[in-house]
Amino acid sequence: DAMVIQNPRYQVTQFGKPVTLSCSQTLNHNVMYWYQQKSSQAPKLLFHYYDKDFNNEADTPDNFQSRRPNTSFCFLDIRSPGLGDAAMYLCATSRDQGRTYEQYFGPGTRLTVT
Amino acid sequence: AQSVAQPEDQVNVAEGNPLTVKCTYSVSGNPYLFWYVQYPNRGLQFLLKYITGDNLVKGSYGFEAEFNKSQTSFHLKKPSALVSDSALYFCAVRDQITGGGNKLTFGTGTQLKVEL
Repeated sequence: DAMVIQNPRYQVTQFGKPVTLSCSQTLNHNVMYWYQQKSSQAPKLLFHYYDKDFNNEADTPDNFQSRRPNTSFCFLDIRSPGLGDAAMYLCATSRDQGRTYEQYFGPGTRLTVT
Repeated sequence: AQSVAQPEDQVNVAEGNPLTVKCTYSVSGNPYLFWYVQYPNRGLQFLLKYITGDNLVKGSYGFEAEFNKSQTSFHLKKPSALVSDSALYFCAVRDQITGGGNKLTFGTGTQLKVEL
């Protein structure tokens, strides 16, 4: 089945130690998104890739970076995680075609910062 | 900016009874509205969307939603609730985004609890 895959599902890192979260998709969607979700709050968009073009939300901290080496993969890099960065990180995809506006989400990576 | 509001943090309903999870929206232009469900420690699952057309939209797992333009609402409904429907439900609206793609702005979520 076509899907959005996130690895790892759970990640523990130390304060200030860089961490990378990964996302892959078999849907062949051209748009990929990263969201941050804290303790049952609404997901908050960090940034997205439209094809190869990176688009950052205005309030996303510089500590968060992203890479998309090809259509299928996208990475979220947190350069110096703080305690406040502990959250669920959700990857999502969509196809920018017609009125297919819905996004498809991966299972998420729960990040713990110690 | 577009926004949605979910006025109830939690909704409790008995199994077999109808359920309603409320959502109101505030948009400029035509609203593109969505419902997602999230189970514990999982990603969001798409349930249904309203883009245009019939005001009653049918989605996955027996859920449906009614778009009401005069009341600016998009309430999620199910005729007969199941215990397995217990989850966190998010209403969302398509928002403007730079660079292409579709930004979703989510409501604060409503925890649905279905009891035997």
